[in-house]
Amino acid sequence: SQTIHQWPATLVQPVGSPLSLECTVEGTSNPNLYWYRQAAGRGLQLLFYSVGIGQISSEVPQNLSASRPQDRQFILSSKKLLLSDSGFYLCAWAVGGSDYKLFFGSGTQLSVL
Amino acid sequence: LAKTTQPISMDSYEGQEVNITCSHNNIATNDYITWYQQFPSQGPRFIIQGYKTKVTNEVASLFIPADRKSSTLSLPRVSLSDTAVYYCLVGDIGSSNTGKLIFGQGTTLQVKP
Repeated sequence: SQTIHQWPATLVQPVGSPLSLECTVEGTSNPNLYWYRQAAGRGLQLLFYSVGIGQISSEVPQNLSASRPQDRQFILSSKKLLLSDSGFYLCAWAVGGSDYKLFFGSGTQLSVL
Repeated sequence: LAKTTQPISMDSYEGQEVNITCSHNNIATNDYITWYQQFPSQGPRFIIQGYKTKVTNEVASLFIPADRKSSTLSLPRVSLSDTAVYYCLVGDIGSSNTGKLIFGQGTTLQVKP
């Protein structure tokens, strides 16, 4: 069966520090991969998505970046965190055609202080 | 991409049936309609998916009219544990699509005793 691993579960970082969040998927091949962010009490904001290795589409022009070095690995990074980067970060994957299903990881709660 | 519009919040009482409607006026031919449930500090989880008419599973029903410009999630006999945010997602990650999946603002359902 397919599983998605996302870590760490919680993270407290000072302003200006770097960030690396990793997500891996098991049990499937060539999935679409997604990074979403959720501010407190808000909806899901799409940050990046990838339809294949090395293919990254950005939805939010800011100090975050994403990479997909392997088929089932998706990494979210920042060189210098801002206070506004605080939030709940969710990785997700999907396969299939029109009748896709999107599956989410357990999320990372990031607090930038 | 089809934009979705849902009520921001709804209240209900235990044992009642709850219907949440989502508007998606510019839904594309290949788009499926999927509903997700999210509890605090967790990733959304799949509830139900449909293309047209009615779909039913063990937890919900999904009603889609012939023009597909809206859909209604029906939760029978809700309990306190159904208090959550419900998202309607309209999209397609098939070969003809970029893979982008954008969520609407979601509906916060509060079930009262």
